[in-house]
Amino acid sequence: EAQVTQNPRYLITVTGKKLTVTCSQNMNHEYMSWYRQDPGLGLRQIYYSMNVEVTDKGDVPEGYKVSRKEKRNFPLILESPSPNQTSLYFCASSLSNTEAFFGQGTRLTVV
Amino acid sequence: QKEVEQNSGPLSVPEGAIASLNCTYSDRGSQSFFWYRQYSGKSPELIMSIYSNGDKEDGRFTAQLNKASQYVSLLIRDSQPSDSATYLCAVNENAGNMLTFGGGTRLMVKP
Repeated sequence: EAQVTQNPRYLITVTGKKLTVTCSQNMNHEYMSWYRQDPGLGLRQIYYSMNVEVTDKGDVPEGYKVSRKEKRNFPLILESPSPNQTSLYFCASSLSNTEAFFGQGTRLTVV
Repeated sequence: QKEVEQNSGPLSVPEGAIASLNCTYSDRGSQSFFWYRQYSGKSPELIMSIYSNGDKEDGRFTAQLNKASQYVSLLIRDSQPSDSATYLCAVNENAGNMLTFGGGTRLMVKP
Protein backbone atom coordinates (compact mmCIF):
# COMPACT_ATOMS: atom_id res chain seq x y z
CA GLU A 1 0.00 0.00 0.00
CA ALA A 2 1.30 3.44 -1.00
CA GLN A 3 1.71 5.51 2.11
CA VAL A 4 3.59 8.11 4.11
CA THR A 5 4.40 6.94 7.63
CA GLN A 6 5.21 9.23 10.52
CA ASN A 7 6.36 8.27 13.98
CA PRO A 8 5.52 8.85 16.71
CA ARG A 9 1.84 9.79 16.44
CA TYR A 10 1.85 11.49 19.82
CA LEU A 11 4.75 12.90 21.81
CA ILE A 12 4.99 14.86 25.03
CA THR A 13 8.44 16.17 25.86
CA VAL A 14 10.17 18.77 27.98
CA THR A 15 11.77 22.01 26.87
CA GLY A 16 15.29 21.55 25.53
CA LYS A 17 15.24 17.78 25.07
CA LYS A 18 16.23 16.94 21.52
CA LEU A 19 13.72 14.90 19.52
CA THR A 20 13.30 13.46 16.06
CA VAL A 21 10.08 12.78 14.20
CA THR A 22 10.56 10.24 11.45
CA CYS A 23 8.87 10.22 8.06
CA SER A 24 9.09 7.53 5.43
CA GLN A 25 7.37 7.10 2.05
CA ASN A 26 7.23 4.05 -0.20
CA MET A 27 6.13 5.76 -3.43
CA ASN A 28 9.61 6.72 -4.72
CA HIS A 29 8.62 10.40 -4.58
CA GLU A 30 11.31 13.03 -5.13
CA TYR A 31 9.63 15.74 -3.09
CA MET A 32 9.06 15.61 0.66
CA SER A 33 7.91 18.34 3.02
CA TRP A 34 7.17 19.05 6.64
CA TYR A 35 4.23 21.19 7.75
CA ARG A 36 2.93 22.35 11.06
CA GLN A 37 -0.72 23.11 11.67
CA ASP A 38 -1.92 25.45 14.36
CA PRO A 39 -5.46 26.70 15.07
CA GLY A 40 -6.24 29.78 13.01
CA LEU A 41 -2.93 29.61 11.13
CA GLY A 42 -3.54 26.73 8.75
CA LEU A 43 -0.80 24.53 7.32
CA ARG A 44 2.60 26.16 7.19
CA GLN A 45 5.61 24.62 5.49
CA ILE A 46 8.70 24.14 7.66
CA TYR A 47 11.19 22.56 5.26
CA TYR A 48 11.04 20.76 1.96
CA SER A 49 13.34 18.56 -0.08
CA MET A 50 13.42 18.12 -3.84
CA ASN A 51 15.70 15.09 -3.75
CA VAL A 52 18.42 13.34 -1.78
CA GLU A 53 20.78 15.85 -0.12
CA VAL A 54 18.67 18.78 -1.42
CA THR A 55 16.69 20.64 1.23
CA ASP A 56 15.38 24.17 1.57
CA LYS A 57 13.57 26.33 4.10
CA GLY A 58 9.85 26.81 3.99
CA ASP A 59 7.89 29.56 5.70
CA VAL A 60 8.67 28.70 9.35
CA PRO A 61 12.07 26.93 9.56
CA GLU A 62 13.35 28.45 12.81
CA GLY A 63 14.07 25.85 15.49
CA TYR A 64 13.93 22.89 13.10
CA LYS A 65 16.42 20.81 11.12
CA VAL A 66 15.93 18.19 8.44
CA SER A 67 18.06 15.77 6.48
CA ARG A 68 17.50 13.74 3.32
CA LYS A 69 20.15 11.04 3.17
CA GLU A 70 17.85 8.54 1.48
CA LYS A 71 15.01 9.15 -0.93
CA ARG A 72 12.38 7.49 1.24
CA ASN A 73 13.20 9.17 4.58
CA PHE A 74 12.90 12.78 5.71
CA PRO A 75 13.25 13.16 9.48
CA LEU A 76 12.38 16.37 11.32
CA ILE A 77 14.74 17.28 14.15
CA LEU A 78 14.07 19.66 17.00
CA GLU A 79 17.44 20.26 18.66
CA SER A 80 16.05 22.22 21.60
CA PRO A 81 12.25 22.16 21.59
CA SER A 82 10.32 25.04 23.11
CA PRO A 83 6.64 25.34 24.08
CA ASN A 84 5.88 27.42 20.96
CA GLN A 85 6.68 24.32 18.89
CA THR A 86 3.69 22.54 20.37
CA SER A 87 1.69 21.75 17.26
CA LEU A 88 0.32 19.13 14.89
CA TYR A 89 2.99 18.13 12.37
CA PHE A 90 2.49 16.55 8.97
CA CYS A 91 4.96 15.04 6.57
CA ALA A 92 4.04 14.91 2.89
CA SER A 93 5.53 13.56 -0.31
CA SER A 94 4.82 14.11 -3.99
CA LEU A 95 6.10 13.80 -7.53
CA SER A 96 7.17 17.16 -9.01
CA ASN A 97 4.18 19.55 -8.90
CA THR A 98 1.49 16.93 -8.47
CA GLU A 99 -0.66 16.39 -5.41
CA ALA A 100 0.95 15.81 -2.03
CA PHE A 101 0.24 12.72 0.06
CA PHE A 102 0.23 13.23 3.80
CA GLY A 103 1.28 11.14 6.73
CA GLN A 104 -1.05 10.52 9.68
CA GLY A 105 0.31 13.45 11.68
CA THR A 106 2.33 13.81 14.88
CA ARG A 107 0.83 15.71 17.77
CA LEU A 108 3.72 17.22 19.72
CA THR A 109 3.42 18.85 23.12
CA VAL A 110 6.43 20.62 24.64
CA VAL A 111 6.10 21.46 28.33
CA GLN B 1 5.04 36.34 -0.25
CA LYS B 2 2.68 33.96 -1.98
CA GLU B 3 -0.78 33.96 -0.49
CA VAL B 4 -3.76 31.70 -0.75
CA GLU B 5 -6.93 33.08 0.79
CA GLN B 6 -10.07 31.29 1.90
CA ASN B 7 -13.03 32.36 3.97
CA SER B 8 -12.63 30.51 7.26
CA GLY B 9 -16.39 29.99 7.65
CA PRO B 10 -18.13 28.11 9.01
CA LEU B 11 -20.19 27.66 5.88
CA SER B 12 -23.46 26.02 6.84
CA VAL B 13 -25.66 24.31 4.25
CA PRO B 14 -28.63 21.96 4.59
CA GLU B 15 -28.32 18.34 3.57
CA GLY B 16 -28.87 17.92 -0.17
CA ALA B 17 -27.85 21.48 -1.04
CA ILE B 18 -24.88 22.66 -3.07
CA ALA B 19 -21.89 23.87 -1.06
CA SER B 20 -19.68 26.42 -2.80
CA LEU B 21 -16.15 26.97 -1.52
CA ASN B 22 -13.87 29.65 -2.89
CA CYS B 23 -10.15 30.34 -2.92
CA THR B 24 -8.04 33.16 -4.34
CA TYR B 25 -4.29 33.14 -4.86
CA SER B 26 -1.73 35.86 -5.41
CA ASP B 27 0.97 34.19 -7.53
CA ARG B 28 0.14 34.46 -11.24
CA GLY B 29 2.80 31.83 -11.97
CA SER B 30 0.82 29.13 -10.15
CA GLN B 31 0.25 26.04 -12.26
CA SER B 32 -1.34 23.39 -10.08
CA PHE B 33 -4.35 23.65 -7.81
CA PHE B 34 -5.70 21.20 -5.29
CA TRP B 35 -8.58 20.79 -2.90
CA TYR B 36 -8.06 18.75 0.24
CA ARG B 37 -10.59 17.68 2.85
CA GLN B 38 -9.49 17.47 6.46
CA TYR B 39 -11.46 16.05 9.35
CA SER B 40 -10.57 17.33 12.79
CA GLY B 41 -7.24 15.90 14.00
CA LYS B 42 -6.73 13.90 10.80
CA SER B 43 -4.44 14.39 7.85
CA PRO B 44 -5.57 16.21 4.70
CA GLU B 45 -6.82 13.97 1.92
CA LEU B 46 -6.92 14.97 -1.73
CA ILE B 47 -10.34 15.52 -3.27
CA MET B 48 -9.61 17.25 -6.56
CA SER B 49 -6.73 18.53 -8.61
CA ILE B 50 -7.06 20.96 -11.51
CA TYR B 51 -4.40 22.29 -13.84
CA SER B 52 -6.19 24.19 -16.63
CA ASN B 53 -8.94 26.78 -16.83
CA GLY B 54 -12.49 25.55 -16.70
CA ASP B 55 -14.42 22.92 -14.79
CA LYS B 56 -13.41 19.46 -13.70
CA GLU B 57 -16.04 17.10 -12.35
CA ASP B 58 -15.60 14.00 -10.22
CA GLY B 59 -18.76 12.52 -8.78
CA ARG B 60 -20.43 15.09 -6.54
CA PHE B 61 -17.42 17.40 -6.70
CA THR B 62 -16.63 20.05 -9.32
CA ALA B 63 -13.50 22.16 -9.27
CA GLN B 64 -13.46 25.40 -11.22
CA LEU B 65 -10.33 27.33 -12.16
CA ASN B 66 -10.06 30.86 -13.54
CA LYS B 67 -6.41 31.84 -13.88
CA ALA B 68 -7.18 35.32 -15.23
CA SER B 69 -9.10 36.15 -12.07
CA GLN B 70 -6.83 34.02 -9.89
CA TYR B 71 -9.48 32.00 -8.18
CA VAL B 72 -10.35 28.38 -7.81
CA SER B 73 -13.56 27.01 -6.39
CA LEU B 74 -15.04 23.73 -5.27
CA LEU B 75 -18.71 22.82 -5.60
CA ILE B 76 -20.15 19.93 -3.64
CA ARG B 77 -23.53 18.78 -4.92
CA ASP B 78 -26.05 16.90 -2.80
CA SER B 79 -24.10 17.75 0.36
CA GLN B 80 -24.11 15.08 3.06
CA PRO B 81 -23.44 15.39 6.81
CA SER B 82 -20.30 13.31 6.19
CA ASP B 83 -19.00 16.19 4.03
CA SER B 84 -18.72 18.30 7.19
CA ALA B 85 -15.00 19.03 7.43
CA THR B 86 -12.43 21.71 6.72
CA TYR B 87 -11.59 22.16 3.04
CA LEU B 88 -8.09 23.32 2.19
CA CYS B 89 -7.14 24.99 -1.05
CA ALA B 90 -3.51 24.43 -2.12
CA VAL B 91 -1.55 26.03 -4.92
CA ASN B 92 1.75 25.02 -6.47
CA GLU B 93 3.98 26.88 -8.91
CA ASN B 94 5.62 24.89 -11.70
CA ALA B 95 9.16 25.04 -10.39
CA GLY B 96 9.96 23.40 -7.11
CA ASN B 97 7.42 22.11 -4.69
CA MET B 98 6.31 25.04 -2.60
CA LEU B 99 2.75 23.88 -2.04
CA THR B 100 1.04 26.83 -0.37
CA PHE B 101 -2.15 26.22 1.57
CA GLY B 102 -5.02 28.50 2.38
CA GLY B 103 -6.29 28.64 5.92
CA GLY B 104 -9.21 26.38 5.11
CA THR B 105 -13.00 26.76 5.11
CA ARG B 106 -15.01 24.84 7.66
CA LEU B 107 -18.12 23.32 6.11
CA MET B 108 -21.07 22.18 8.18
CA VAL B 109 -23.82 20.17 6.51
CA LYS B 110 -26.94 20.05 8.65
CA PRO B 111 -29.30 17.05 8.43
